[in-house]
Amino acid sequence: DAMVIQNPRYQVTQFGKPVTLSCSQTLNHNVMYWYQQKSSQAPKLLFHYYDKDFNNEADTPDNFQSRRPNTSFCFLDIRSPGLGDAAMYLCATSRGGVYEQYFGPGTRLTVT
Amino acid sequence: DAKTTQPPSMDCAEGRAANLPCNHSTISGNEYVYWYRQIHSQGPQYIIHGLKNNETNEMASLIITEDRKSSTLILPHATLRDTAVYYCIVRTAGANSKLTFGKGITLSVRP
Repeated sequence: DAMVIQNPRYQVTQFGKPVTLSCSQTLNHNVMYWYQQKSSQAPKLLFHYYDKDFNNEADTPDNFQSRRPNTSFCFLDIRSPGLGDAAMYLCATSRGGVYEQYFGPGTRLTVT
Repeated sequence: DAKTTQPPSMDCAEGRAANLPCNHSTISGNEYVYWYRQIHSQGPQYIIHGLKNNETNEMASLIITEDRKSSTLILPHATLRDTAVYYCIVRTAGANSKLTFGKGITLSVRP
């Protein structure tokens, strides 16, 4: 059974057109993370929520925002996508602390 | 979080043990060693983690040196499906502790 679900798996958007990626979990985990992974690079953490507390990474561009309306769902909003934002976006969840993170399959974003 | 150093790649024969090394010479006393892997076009997958003692689960074994400055992930009987990028990461156990992925090591399992 899928535990961390990301929709859609592939998303195409136009330069400058806002786009939202979604993530849901069936694990009831406290923490949800968003990572960006560009081609041939390692995943890079953008931000995470611990329950309702939002934690932004210092180098995450303002163009990237996130919402977590409830425990199960978390959204990544890209306000004005640029060509450089084309990447795989990975969502992960965890109970926090020492516990491992569970990753979704990712959404591959293409910007035209 | 302490940084890790891994060779860029290695290969092994199917059915043999794969021993993946990792150096983390600046690790702090409260930092754990984690291993994840990422098969092509999939999300990373947790493998194992440890603090001081050696650990084993259904996927792998983790051997941590006594001074904790290095570790080895062992896949006892590698299969073709184990071909992936393997990431060694050190992190604390704090509530907002995060995973910082390095470049990882690409393991290629050959028939």
